[in-house]
Amino acid sequence: GAVVSQHPSWVICKSGTSVKIECRSLDFQATTMFWYRQFPKQSLMLMATSNEGSKATYEQGVEKDKFLINHASLTLSTLTVTSAHPEDSSFYICSARAPARATEQYFGPGTRLTVT
Amino acid sequence: RKEVEQDPGPFNVPEGATVAFNCTYSNSASQSFFWYRQDCRKEPKLLMSVYSSGNEDGRFTAQLNRASQYISLLIRDSKLSDSATYLCVVAGRETSGSRLTFGEGTQLTVNP
Repeated sequence: GAVVSQHPSWVICKSGTSVKIECRSLDFQATTMFWYRQFPKQSLMLMATSNEGSKATYEQGVEKDKFLINHASLTLSTLTVTSAHPEDSSFYICSARAPARATEQYFGPGTRLTVT
Repeated sequence: RKEVEQDPGPFNVPEGATVAFNCTYSNSASQSFFWYRQDCRKEPKLLMSVYSSGNEDGRFTAQLNRASQYISLLIRDSKLSDSATYLCVVAGRETSGSRLTFGEGTQLTVNP
């Protein structure tokens, strides 16, 4: 099956710093990637949809200036959490969709962010 | 009202038990339906898609009732390895493709 990787798998950073998370589709080209956030004991919440070569579409309530998304190639999307605060501590998961399979998404293993 | 609602759980069952999960969705225009399982601190993994005709994969049976906007998952002869959180997931028909909406999940623990 299709493989999606994320890096780093976990990160601890100080309040006020920025953190970049990478999402890569390893064996297919992903025209669309999705970024989710999951707080403890809650479900995944879609943050934004990232299309290669265009601006990301953010869900209501997600600050686009705080969560910067770049989808510069068909195999890489990045999420940068700028000026991180402790309330940004969460599990960030990306998924990728292959063009030929409209409804199937392949999830990365997630990145656990802790802001101290 | 939440877009996707599931049994709150958690469920604790003995090995070999049959367990059923229920899910309702609010958007009648939804097109695709799935059950995912998520282990602790891991990403969700697709368990099975759900079709109106019902579908079965070994010990797992999924059903969809579009009229009542209801989805179910039945696990027979449960195993210890079935312990996980089960997520009901719904997708709409989007021009940009497959925006997934997740339920909050129902946690299952299968005990020896």
